[in-house]
Amino acid sequence: DQQVKQNSPSLSVQEGRISILNCDYTNSMFDYFLWYKKYPAEGPTFLISISSIKDKNEDGRFTVFLNKSAKHLSLHIVPSQPGDSAVYFCAASANAGNMLTFGGGTRLMVKP
Amino acid sequence: NAGVTQTPKFQVLKTGQSMTLQCAQDMNHNSMYWYRQDPGMGLRLIYYSASEGTTDKGEVPNGYNVSRLNKREFSLRLESAAPSQTSVYFCASVTSGGVTYEQYFGPGTRLTVT
Repeated sequence: DQQVKQNSPSLSVQEGRISILNCDYTNSMFDYFLWYKKYPAEGPTFLISISSIKDKNEDGRFTVFLNKSAKHLSLHIVPSQPGDSAVYFCAASANAGNMLTFGGGTRLMVKP
Repeated sequence: NAGVTQTPKFQVLKTGQSMTLQCAQDMNHNSMYWYRQDPGMGLRLIYYSASEGTTDKGEVPNGYNVSRLNKREFSLRLESAAPSQTSVYFCASVTSGGVTYEQYFGPGTRLTVT
């Protein structure tokens, strides 16, 4: 049973528009959430994170929103750029530990 | 500062062969991890080492063994490779006791078992 789910395997967006990537989780013990970005033939790289005591965290063009009651988080990219085309993974940690549980990933394609 | 390095980058094995995937980090991190990535499955944890001298099973440990050689190095061994182990393998590390849980990943090893 997947505890972290990304229900959209792919997303296509026009350059300059907003990209919204979604992630749902089932384990109420998760208290820290991260987004990773992965280009082909490379390892995942950390993008942005959020603690469960917050509902929003912003870093430049990237904003992560957390809705604890719905057990849902989303990553907003505004404006989207062709270089953002990659696979995005959300991940969650429980009890302030170092173990991460990953979602299945969403492939984002930003068209010029 | 190379971060997390993995060798080899690519490997093709025949069913039943054995091999060891190597991982090293130069960030003085305490914890190290081995994941496999399969299409649609995300990253699944195989084994991890919370600190030097300790190892524990993750979500999918069957068919694998690990060795935490020292603080820097964490190897993954396939004793008798099977086609189901065809995957991309990633090593990661993270410091302990930090305020974030950001894991740093290596570039991956693409393994094909025929």
